[in-house]
Amino acid sequence: RKEVEQDPGPFNVPEGATVAFNCTYSNSASQSFFWYRQDCRKEPKLLMSVYSSGNEDGRFTAQLNRASQYISLLIRDSKLSDSATYLCVVGSDSSYKLIFGSGTRLLVRP
Amino acid sequence: GAGVSQSPRYKVTKRGQDVALRCDPISGHVSLYWYRQALGQGPEFLTYFNYEAQQDKSGLPNDRFSAERPEGSISTLTIQRTEQRDSAMYRCASSLSRGSYEQYFGPGTRLTVT
Repeated sequence: RKEVEQDPGPFNVPEGATVAFNCTYSNSASQSFFWYRQDCRKEPKLLMSVYSSGNEDGRFTAQLNRASQYISLLIRDSKLSDSATYLCVVGSDSSYKLIFGSGTRLLVRP
Repeated sequence: GAGVSQSPRYKVTKRGQDVALRCDPISGHVSLYWYRQALGQGPEFLTYFNYEAQQDKSGLPNDRFSAERPEGSISTLTIQRTEQRDSAMYRCASSLSRGSYEQYFGPGTRLTVT
């Protein structure tokens, strides 16, 4: 079983739609969680950290459910520029390495 | 400002040859990480350094892979006797402080072993 699992998608949504991605992680001791965004043929970039109480950054909301070992990302009012792959990431507290899921691809159409 | 740079951006090599991949982190960044990304997958950790000290090399697949950062800045990932299964995107990342998850990735080196 992979340490971080995500639905690969693609999610194909119209502009303005709300879309949600989920991921699960296997290590119950994990403490640090993130969402990264990766555009086609580009490097991954940090989108946002995920805090236990949930957090919001503009149109993006991230939530963590420790009991279910589940992380989510909600994107409201989708823009064409949101089209990318979204990577769910867990931090390894022993060495600060990032453990990535395979990513969920989002396509926002006009 | 300048981000993480990697060279070469593309490398095609024949099976059995050695390759050296270079990473130049953001100036002043203490920690440097190497990841490998296969097509359709997320990056997978290989190794990381704080300054010149290699802190964790648990992700290196086998002893053909090695990395160094002798002066605490530029790093080189070396793959000896390359095999076709080594073909992937090799990404370097750096962070300002020791032990930080806020890592900035470089554009990667696409390695193809024929």
